[in-house]
Amino acid sequence: GAGVSQSPRYKVAKRGQDVALRCDPISGHVSLFWYQQALGQGPEFLTYFQNEAQLDKSGLPSDRFFAERPEGSVSTLKIQRTQQEDSAVYLCASSGHVGGYTFGSGTRLTVV
Amino acid sequence: ILNVEQSPQSLHVQEGDSTNFTCSFPSSNFYALHWYRWETAKSPEALFVMTLNGDEKKKGRISATLNTKEGYSYLYIKGSQPEDSATYLCAPLFGGNNRLAFGKGNQVVVIP
Repeated sequence: GAGVSQSPRYKVAKRGQDVALRCDPISGHVSLFWYQQALGQGPEFLTYFQNEAQLDKSGLPSDRFFAERPEGSVSTLKIQRTQQEDSAVYLCASSGHVGGYTFGSGTRLTVV
Repeated sequence: ILNVEQSPQSLHVQEGDSTNFTCSFPSSNFYALHWYRWETAKSPEALFVMTLNGDEKKKGRISATLNTKEGYSYLYIKGSQPEDSATYLCAPLFGGNNRLAFGKGNQVVVIP
């Protein structure tokens, strides 16, 4: 597609529920990043893929967070047993070369 | 943890006035600086990628400068218009690391 597509745009989850957030990167982009933006903060790095390999997951806040990109294109960020502190905008970005990043519109997750 | 500071965090500007704000970052191992413009419910839009000390870039009424030796960048908006209302995010890249380190952003509201 022409841009990075994220779905759903908005998600309301009850505390304890599992959620899955999807990112469709630009076709052919090797690198894919997930960021979390909590209210009043800048986006914080979560994890990075190069093709299907997860090369850096140091930003994932707990073992309830899991990301995958099995075929090197679409990626899913899964959050198990959601907590209120998980409420944030989750941004996905893809890059085909060093220095150029294209972001999606994000998924706004609200945990109630 | 990379300390990226943006100030002021929030500002209101009268339509027609010019304004500027600052991003400061660690100067060691600097590789590039990205500026993004982010409107609510939209994707962050890339404004500039700057690499060289003394770089100046311009896009319409928005311009930016870069000082890599002291670790700061200024973003200027000339003759602010209501459509300039957005959050402006600064994100440096450091050598050996391809993930952006975001500041909290400068939230600009242009008052008609």
